[in-house]
Amino acid sequence: SQELEQSPQSLIVQEGKNLTINCTSSKTLYGLYWYKQKYGEGLIFLMMLQKGGEEKSHEKITAKLDEKKQQSSLHITASQPSHAGIYLCGADWNYGGSQGNLIFGKGTKLSVKP
Amino acid sequence: DAGVTQSPTHLIKTRGQQVTLRCSPKSGHDTVSWYQQALGQGPQFIFQYYEEEERQRGNFPDRFSGHQFPNYSSELNVNALLLGDSALYLCASSLAAGALTDTQYFGPGTRLTVL
Repeated sequence: SQELEQSPQSLIVQEGKNLTINCTSSKTLYGLYWYKQKYGEGLIFLMMLQKGGEEKSHEKITAKLDEKKQQSSLHITASQPSHAGIYLCGADWNYGGSQGNLIFGKGTKLSVKP
Repeated sequence: DAGVTQSPTHLIKTRGQQVTLRCSPKSGHDTVSWYQQALGQGPQFIFQYYEEEERQRGNFPDRFSGHQFPNYSSELNVNALLLGDSALYLCASSLAAGALTDTQYFGPGTRLTVL
């Protein structure tokens, strides 16, 4: 069974609309990474969360980690065509921090209609 | 400041052949991790190299091997290629702090097709 679930699998939004992507873990997260990937290309680092209740923002993208450290959400405000791509969450389940072997979800494919 | 670079960008091989993929880490990074990403899936961890040794390994057979050089660059070797080895191979670099690693930065990947 998949231990890191992302939802939705795909999303089509109108430009200017807000959207949320969720990442749910079956185990406590000691690090949660959000990456963006253009089709067939490498991953672009967005944000990393470690503490329960933590929230980080970069431009119009905000990521949160819940208090129990088992769920994270990525929120995009006023979406633009440049936000289109595949969003991946990566989990670090190693107590004490990153030992480098991230477990990834299957990704959420975001399309933004102009 | 050069980011993570990988070569080649694309590669086509036939079953049973061997392949070598190359990665140069981001400047200042000393740790290299390799991931395999099949179509429609998230990346899967293959192994990690630090101080020229394999430090961690995911659930991949011995056909997958690697090497890290003194300048921190790394190679991924796959022997006896199978059709199922067709994937995007991603290299990620980071800076180690003892047993831990900092945020991983990914290269553009090498697309391997096995016919």
